[in-house]
Amino acid sequence: AQSVTQPDIHITVSEGASLELRCNYSYGATPYLFWYVQSPGQGLQLLLKYFSGDTLVQGIKGFEAEFKRSQSSFNLRKPSVHWSDAAEYFCAVGVSGNTGKLIFGQGTTLQVKP
Amino acid sequence: DVKVTQSSRYLVKRTGEKVFLECVQDMDHENMFWYRQDPGLGLRLIYFSYDVKMKEKGDIPEGYSVSREKKERFSLILESASTNQTSMYLCASRPGSWAQHFGDGTRLSIL
Repeated sequence: AQSVTQPDIHITVSEGASLELRCNYSYGATPYLFWYVQSPGQGLQLLLKYFSGDTLVQGIKGFEAEFKRSQSSFNLRKPSVHWSDAAEYFCAVGVSGNTGKLIFGQGTTLQVKP
Repeated sequence: DVKVTQSSRYLVKRTGEKVFLECVQDMDHENMFWYRQDPGLGLRLIYFSYDVKMKEKGDIPEGYSVSREKKERFSLILESASTNQTSMYLCASRPGSWAQHFGDGTRLSIL
């Protein structure tokens, strides 16, 4: 069965430091992978997605993610974190077929220290 | 920009009530989804719809039903609300591509 694991429930980084949020998936075929961000009291906003091709994908707000098939991972990175990046981050994998169903990880809460 | 609108940001209801959560999208999307979000569990799919009057159960459909009479509107119904249905409910819609667009959520409390 397909699944997504975000090993870190909570991460704290200092403003200006680099960030990496981990995501591991379990899926038989080539996955469609997504990262979403949720600010407090808001819905989810798409940061970036991977469908095929270049394994390093660029997203909004200066985020990038790298697909590594051998490690079944799709980690999210940002070189320099801003206080406004404090939020909850969700990794998701698309289930095959035409339904567009997504399976989400448990989420990682990012806290940014001044 | 795609807009997915959920009718209420906060809702308080009583045990046993029939509760309706409404979601409207303005982009003629075929697919619409209802999730519930609980701390430590991420988002779990309740129901989705791939066309008017068409629906499929997600991973946790028990205690819920849905209605899609018009393409732009997808309603989630709690037939007889219970306290374990207190949660954040998120609606999403999807165009032909894979990425889903989310509303701001409804925080529902069942007393």
